[in-house]
Amino acid sequence: ENVLTQSPGTLSLSPVERATLSCRASQSVAGNYLAWYQQKPGQAPRLLIYGASSRATDIPDRFSGSGSGTDFTLTISRLEPEDFVVYYCHQYGSSPYTFGQGTKLEIK
Amino acid sequence: EVQLVESGGGLVKPGGSLRLSCAASGFTFSYYNMNWVRQAPGKGLEWVSSIDSSSFYIYYSDSVKGRFTISRDNAKNSLYLQMDSLRAEDTAVYYCATNTGPWGQGTLVTVSS
Repeated sequence: ENVLTQSPGTLSLSPVERATLSCRASQSVAGNYLAWYQQKPGQAPRLLIYGASSRATDIPDRFSGSGSGTDFTLTISRLEPEDFVVYYCHQYGSSPYTFGQGTKLEIK
Repeated sequence: EVQLVESGGGLVKPGGSLRLSCAASGFTFSYYNMNWVRQAPGKGLEWVSSIDSSSFYIYYSDSVKGRFTISRDNAKNSLYLQMDSLRAEDTAVYYCATNTGPWGQGTLVTVSS
Protein backbone atom coordinates (compact mmCIF):
# COMPACT_ATOMS: atom_id res chain seq x y z
CA GLU A 1 0.00 0.00 0.00
CA ASN A 2 1.28 3.44 -0.93
CA VAL A 3 1.03 5.45 2.28
CA LEU A 4 0.66 9.22 1.84
CA THR A 5 1.96 11.44 4.63
CA GLN A 6 0.88 15.08 4.62
CA SER A 7 2.78 17.81 6.43
CA PRO A 8 2.25 19.83 8.40
CA GLY A 9 -0.85 18.53 10.13
CA THR A 10 -1.93 22.10 10.81
CA LEU A 11 -0.63 25.23 9.10
CA SER A 12 -1.23 28.65 10.66
CA LEU A 13 -0.99 31.57 8.26
CA SER A 14 -2.58 34.94 7.59
CA PRO A 15 -4.69 35.96 4.61
CA VAL A 16 -2.61 37.06 1.58
CA GLU A 17 0.30 34.88 2.72
CA ARG A 18 1.57 31.95 0.65
CA ALA A 19 0.80 28.37 1.75
CA THR A 20 2.91 25.33 0.92
CA LEU A 21 1.43 21.92 1.72
CA SER A 22 3.45 18.74 1.36
CA CYS A 23 2.47 15.17 0.50
CA ARG A 24 5.08 12.42 0.63
CA ALA A 25 4.41 8.92 -0.69
CA SER A 26 6.01 5.75 0.63
CA GLN A 27 6.41 4.51 -2.96
CA SER A 28 6.60 6.30 -6.28
CA VAL A 29 3.12 7.32 -7.43
CA ALA A 30 2.40 5.53 -10.68
CA GLY A 31 1.89 7.92 -13.57
CA ASN A 32 2.09 10.84 -11.12
CA TYR A 33 -1.61 10.21 -10.56
CA LEU A 34 -1.72 12.47 -7.53
CA ALA A 35 -4.67 14.73 -6.73
CA TRP A 36 -5.37 17.44 -4.18
CA TYR A 37 -8.78 18.06 -2.64
CA GLN A 38 -10.21 20.88 -0.54
CA GLN A 39 -12.96 20.11 1.95
CA LYS A 40 -15.07 22.72 3.71
CA PRO A 41 -17.10 21.75 6.80
CA GLY A 42 -20.25 19.84 5.94
CA GLN A 43 -19.40 19.70 2.24
CA ALA A 44 -18.09 17.10 -0.18
CA PRO A 45 -14.42 17.34 -1.16
CA ARG A 46 -13.69 19.52 -4.16
CA LEU A 47 -11.00 18.54 -6.66
CA LEU A 48 -8.30 21.19 -7.00
CA ILE A 49 -5.44 19.44 -8.82
CA TYR A 50 -5.13 16.13 -10.67
CA GLY A 51 -2.18 14.48 -12.37
CA ALA A 52 0.06 16.29 -9.85
CA SER A 53 -0.12 19.65 -11.62
CA SER A 54 -3.29 20.01 -13.72
CA ARG A 55 -5.79 22.45 -12.30
CA ALA A 56 -9.39 21.21 -12.25
CA THR A 57 -12.24 23.08 -13.91
CA ASP A 58 -13.07 26.48 -12.35
CA ILE A 59 -10.21 26.35 -9.84
CA PRO A 60 -8.53 29.76 -9.35
CA ASP A 61 -4.96 30.04 -10.57
CA ARG A 62 -3.71 30.86 -7.08
CA PHE A 63 -3.83 27.06 -6.55
CA SER A 64 -0.97 25.11 -8.12
CA GLY A 65 0.44 21.62 -7.80
CA SER A 66 3.94 20.34 -8.40
CA GLY A 67 6.15 17.35 -7.80
CA SER A 68 6.70 13.84 -9.07
CA GLY A 69 7.67 10.40 -7.84
CA THR A 70 7.24 10.51 -4.07
CA ASP A 71 7.19 14.23 -3.25
CA PHE A 72 4.32 16.53 -4.12
CA THR A 73 3.36 20.06 -3.16
CA LEU A 74 0.19 22.13 -3.22
CA THR A 75 0.86 25.86 -3.24
CA ILE A 76 -1.74 28.54 -2.59
CA SER A 77 -0.08 31.73 -3.71
CA ARG A 78 -2.20 34.32 -1.90
CA LEU A 79 -4.57 33.05 0.77
CA GLU A 80 -8.19 34.15 0.76
CA PRO A 81 -10.40 33.82 3.88
CA GLU A 82 -12.32 30.91 2.31
CA ASP A 83 -9.09 28.91 1.86
CA PHE A 84 -8.75 28.18 5.59
CA VAL A 85 -10.13 24.64 5.55
CA VAL A 86 -8.80 21.06 5.18
CA TYR A 87 -6.77 19.71 2.25
CA TYR A 88 -6.15 16.08 1.27
CA CYS A 89 -3.78 14.50 -1.21
CA HIS A 90 -4.83 11.29 -2.99
CA GLN A 91 -3.01 8.81 -5.18
CA TYR A 92 -4.99 6.91 -7.81
CA GLY A 93 -2.09 5.36 -9.66
CA SER A 94 -2.11 1.95 -8.04
CA SER A 95 -4.53 -0.07 -5.98
CA PRO A 96 -5.26 0.28 -3.15
CA TYR A 97 -5.79 3.96 -3.83
CA THR A 98 -4.97 6.03 -0.75
CA PHE A 99 -5.50 9.42 0.84
CA GLY A 100 -3.26 11.46 3.08
CA GLN A 101 -4.49 12.22 6.58
CA GLY A 102 -5.15 15.88 5.73
CA THR A 103 -3.67 19.30 6.44
CA LYS A 104 -5.78 21.87 8.25
CA LEU A 105 -5.10 25.43 7.19
CA GLU A 106 -6.03 27.84 9.99
CA ILE A 107 -5.98 31.59 10.36
CA LYS A 108 -3.06 32.88 12.41
CA GLU B 1 -24.27 20.78 -15.50
CA VAL B 2 -21.99 17.94 -14.39
CA GLN B 3 -23.64 16.14 -11.50
CA LEU B 4 -23.34 12.99 -9.39
CA VAL B 5 -26.22 12.19 -7.05
CA GLU B 6 -25.99 9.38 -4.52
CA SER B 7 -28.96 7.61 -2.94
CA GLY B 8 -29.73 4.52 -0.90
CA GLY B 9 -28.14 5.39 2.43
CA GLY B 10 -29.88 4.93 5.76
CA LEU B 11 -29.90 3.12 9.08
CA VAL B 12 -29.21 -0.61 9.03
CA LYS B 13 -28.47 -3.19 11.72
CA PRO B 14 -25.08 -4.92 11.95
CA GLY B 15 -24.98 -7.81 9.52
CA GLY B 16 -27.51 -6.15 7.23
CA SER B 17 -27.27 -4.99 3.63
CA LEU B 18 -27.72 -1.79 1.65
CA ARG B 19 -27.37 -0.88 -2.01
CA LEU B 20 -26.09 2.56 -2.86
CA SER B 21 -26.72 4.16 -6.25
CA CYS B 22 -25.08 7.10 -7.98
CA ALA B 23 -26.77 8.82 -10.92
CA ALA B 24 -24.48 10.72 -13.28
CA SER B 25 -25.44 13.51 -15.65
CA GLY B 26 -23.82 16.27 -17.68
CA PHE B 27 -20.85 14.22 -18.87
CA THR B 28 -20.10 11.02 -20.80
CA PHE B 29 -20.29 8.60 -17.88
CA SER B 30 -19.16 5.61 -19.93
CA TYR B 31 -15.73 7.19 -20.51
CA TYR B 32 -14.83 7.54 -16.83
CA ASN B 33 -13.40 5.26 -14.17
CA MET B 34 -15.53 5.63 -11.05
CA ASN B 35 -14.93 5.31 -7.33
CA TRP B 36 -16.66 5.05 -3.98
CA VAL B 37 -14.98 6.95 -1.16
CA ARG B 38 -16.23 7.17 2.41
CA GLN B 39 -15.73 9.45 5.39
CA ALA B 40 -16.55 8.34 8.92
CA PRO B 41 -17.88 11.08 11.22
CA GLY B 42 -15.09 13.49 12.10
CA LYS B 43 -12.49 11.46 10.20
CA GLY B 44 -10.53 11.69 6.96
CA LEU B 45 -11.27 10.27 3.54
CA GLU B 46 -11.04 6.53 2.86
CA TRP B 47 -11.05 5.00 -0.62
CA VAL B 48 -13.47 2.05 -0.82
CA SER B 49 -13.65 0.73 -4.38
CA SER B 50 -13.00 1.54 -8.04
CA ILE B 51 -14.31 0.32 -11.37
CA ASP B 52 -12.96 1.19 -14.79
CA SER B 53 -15.10 2.40 -17.67
CA SER B 54 -15.80 -1.07 -19.05
CA SER B 55 -16.14 -2.87 -15.70
CA PHE B 56 -13.06 -4.91 -16.53
CA TYR B 57 -10.82 -3.67 -13.70
CA ILE B 58 -12.37 -3.65 -10.23
CA TYR B 59 -10.56 -2.95 -6.98
CA TYR B 60 -11.51 -2.93 -3.31
CA SER B 61 -9.91 -1.80 -0.10
CA ASP B 62 -9.00 -4.61 2.27
CA SER B 63 -11.57 -3.29 4.75
CA VAL B 64 -14.50 -4.08 2.43
CA LYS B 65 -13.18 -6.87 0.21
CA GLY B 66 -15.54 -9.83 0.18
CA ARG B 67 -18.42 -7.80 1.63
CA PHE B 68 -18.96 -4.97 -0.89
CA THR B 69 -19.53 -5.22 -4.65
CA ILE B 70 -19.14 -2.31 -7.06
CA SER B 71 -20.91 -2.29 -10.42
CA ARG B 72 -22.07 0.12 -13.09
CA ASP B 73 -24.63 0.38 -15.86
CA ASN B 74 -23.34 2.69 -18.58
CA ALA B 75 -26.70 2.61 -20.39
CA LYS B 76 -28.32 4.08 -17.28
CA ASN B 77 -25.39 6.37 -16.37
CA SER B 78 -25.33 4.77 -12.96
CA LEU B 79 -22.84 3.43 -10.43
CA TYR B 80 -23.73 1.05 -7.60
CA LEU B 81 -22.30 -0.29 -4.36
CA GLN B 82 -23.85 -3.42 -2.86
CA MET B 83 -22.89 -3.55 0.80
CA ASP B 84 -23.39 -6.80 2.71
CA SER B 85 -22.41 -7.97 6.18
CA LEU B 86 -22.31 -4.39 7.37
CA ARG B 87 -20.41 -3.49 10.51
CA ALA B 88 -20.50 -0.51 12.86
CA GLU B 89 -17.18 0.65 11.41
CA ASP B 90 -18.80 1.01 7.98
CA THR B 91 -20.76 3.99 9.32
CA ALA B 92 -19.81 6.92 7.10
CA VAL B 93 -20.86 9.29 4.38
CA TYR B 94 -20.32 7.50 1.07
CA TYR B 95 -19.31 9.55 -1.95
CA CYS B 96 -19.45 8.66 -5.61
CA ALA B 97 -16.43 10.20 -7.36
CA THR B 98 -14.45 10.47 -10.56
CA ASN B 99 -10.64 10.74 -10.48
CA THR B 100 -10.42 13.95 -12.48
CA GLY B 101 -13.69 15.73 -11.84
CA PRO B 102 -16.70 16.05 -9.61
CA TRP B 103 -17.90 14.19 -6.57
CA GLY B 104 -21.44 13.72 -5.37
CA GLN B 105 -22.72 15.25 -2.15
CA GLY B 106 -22.71 11.90 -0.40
CA THR B 107 -25.20 9.59 1.29
CA LEU B 108 -25.02 8.68 4.97
CA VAL B 109 -24.87 5.04 5.99
CA THR B 110 -25.36 4.30 9.70
CA VAL B 111 -24.82 0.78 10.99
CA SER B 112 -26.26 0.43 14.47
CA SER B 113 -28.51 -1.84 16.46
